[in-house]
Amino acid sequence: QSALTQPASVSGSPGQSITISCTGTSSDVGGYNYVSWYQHHPGKAPKLMIYDVSNRPSGVSNRFSGSKSGNMASLTISGLQAEDEADYYCSSYTGRSTLVFGGGTKLTVL
Amino acid sequence: QLQLQESGPGLVKPSETLSLTCTVSGGSISSKNYYWGWIRQPPGKGLEWIGAVHYDGRNYFNPSLKSRVTISVDTSKNQFSLKLSSVTAADTAAFYCARLGLWFRDIDPWGQGTLVTVSS
Repeated sequence: QSALTQPASVSGSPGQSITISCTGTSSDVGGYNYVSWYQHHPGKAPKLMIYDVSNRPSGVSNRFSGSKSGNMASLTISGLQAEDEADYYCSSYTGRSTLVFGGGTKLTVL
Repeated sequence: QLQLQESGPGLVKPSETLSLTCTVSGGSISSKNYYWGWIRQPPGKGLEWIGAVHYDGRNYFNPSLKSRVTISVDTSKNQFSLKLSSVTAADTAAFYCARLGLWFRDIDPWGQGTLVTVSS
């Protein structure tokens, strides 16, 4: 199975908004509403930020939001803060009862 | 609060079998609503899903690793384990255990991760 496609890097200034895309196929992202997003600070455990395309777990800031259109999902972070600087990964359930991750996006807060 | 902790050797020789165990605390592994899985991250690379197991024995694997992976559950110890056979240097990675929701819709929580190096 091929990894979902994410931009290698994105950047933004404090207070700005950024969007990270996650492109798959009709067999994964486009076929199911089981897309999730993870924040990963190096050396720490990844943290769930969004599940089921657009749902936020308890405790996750409402500055994080998710959406999907066709075979592409997106994570938007508004009001960027220094602590948002991390790697972000999307994942999707696939039609073959497997899970596939995106390649990851490094977010830099300028 | 559910917590997961990986344990196992940090160094494995090429061609041997990598074995890791994940101990679950603060909750039962015998839940019909969750799977228990493994994810790895090679140095400098992204996350890769290895596979997942349900307490009733159902398991699912990454097709690219399926022939080398075994994931099992020990409900009496509230643990699950990973075995990856015939390892090479390419299998060097940080390995994370985690709880996965139905349809793998979410992964939460994760263990802290353990680095396994494949080297002679």
